Amino acid sequence: NAGVTQTPKFQVLKTGQSMTLQCAQDMNHEYMSWYRQDPGMGLRLIHYSVGAGITDQGEVPNGYNVSRSTTEDFPLRLLSAAPSQTSVYFCASSSLLAGSSYEQYFGPGTRLTVT
Amino acid sequence: KQEVTQIPAALSVPEGENLVLNCSFTDSAIYNLQWFRQDPGKGLTSLLLIQSSQREQTSGRLNASLDKSSGRSTLYIAASQPGDSATYLCAVGDPDKLIFGTGTRLQVFP
Repeated sequence: NAGVTQTPKFQVLKTGQSMTLQCAQDMNHEYMSWYRQDPGMGLRLIHYSVGAGITDQGEVPNGYNVSRSTTEDFPLRLLSAAPSQTSVYFCASSSLLAGSSYEQYFGPGTRLTVT
Repeated sequence: KQEVTQIPAALSVPEGENLVLNCSFTDSAIYNLQWFRQDPGKGLTSLLLIQSSQREQTSGRLNASLDKSSGRSTLYIAASQPGDSATYLCAVGDPDKLIFGTGTRLQVFP
């Protein structure tokens, strides 16, 4: 059971380039989400999904695109990279447990630098 | 809009001390509250999850309490060790999204 996996671990992009950050989970979780972490600002939600085919925007969605064609995968696309998107990106998944509880599991992160 | 605040922002203590990390939130209508640990350059590790109907959870030397009416949670670490040095984050929200505090950076020195 690998949990939540993210690739790549590190990436350097030039301004204007596009790329996709990959996220996969093998726990059959319904919920998946993307966060970015910046110094002094904590983690902020970019996009999230409550199931295959359903996505919604979080707090900071501009410049990012997502889709969820399967339960396992939730890729994050940077359409035209900007220096302001330099950050550490975390993918997370969760599932409702008995008693209406849940627990979020996080991937190891992707450290992105845009020059 | 839900806001989560953690105090103190940083804490440095000698080994063996018992310590308390604080988390406050502005909207008491939370689903759950989760405490995480983050080591430098690493991802987030879940420490404790408190359901909205619960008052506290314990795991080893860690105890987290939740008071929804006052919008507060505390993480108590007993007999701190140098290996406890990390950033501790609390987060509140729904199953599909969390709102995080900015964390408390803890250093425990021998």
